[in-house]
Amino acid sequence: QVQLVESGGGVVQPGRSLRLSCAASGFAFSNYGMHWVRQAPGKGLEWVALVSFDRTNKYYADSVKGRLTISRDNSKNTLYLQMNSLRTEDTAVYYCAKGGYSNTRKAFDVWGQGTMVTVSS
Amino acid sequence: DIQMTQSPSTLSASVGDRVTITCRASQSISNWLAWYQQKPGNAPILLIYDASSLESGVPSRFSGSGSGTEFTLTISSLQPDDFATYYCQQYNSYSGTFGQGTKVELK
Repeated sequence: QVQLVESGGGVVQPGRSLRLSCAASGFAFSNYGMHWVRQAPGKGLEWVALVSFDRTNKYYADSVKGRLTISRDNSKNTLYLQMNSLRTEDTAVYYCAKGGYSNTRKAFDVWGQGTMVTVSS
Repeated sequence: DIQMTQSPSTLSASVGDRVTITCRASQSISNWLAWYQQKPGNAPILLIYDASSLESGVPSRFSGSGSGTEFTLTISSLQPDDFATYYCQQYNSYSGTFGQGTKVELK
């Protein structure tokens, strides 16, 4: 079945780095845009980043621009989020989500279970 | 950036009630709007896409309407499983902005 599984979360000190992964299965990963969305404890959903199906385009929320980098490896069906210069306000559950086919607009119909990132000294 | 505003933030209702949640976009997004349901500890679930299309497997008591800047999610007869938080999301632009959420709680 169609599935996304995140990994790589944990507790990290402010200013340090972390890399999240999202393993996809059950669909043609290389044909779809992929997103990261996060949710701080007790708060709402915040879109973080998008990478196009072919890796040519990447977009970021202003709050993470310059610190978080989205990437993908279509040969491994895996999405990544490299998180540098982490701040306490980056503490959240991070979800990967499946976007549209090719460059089409589409709601996020598949989500992973989420991985928790805690930034604390 | 497109901003999404939901109302109300909290809604108290009883089983069997008709429930309506509103979402407003800061600029026209055509019909590029989705609604999600989220329960504590779980990932969001897509209910409605393209403003009014029901996602496969979602009960027909959920419906969506609107276009441009004003949208609504309606639950025709609230069921015990529907107590949750609901989010709207625009995907007209790449950013996929979410509304702040509406918590539906038991009256």
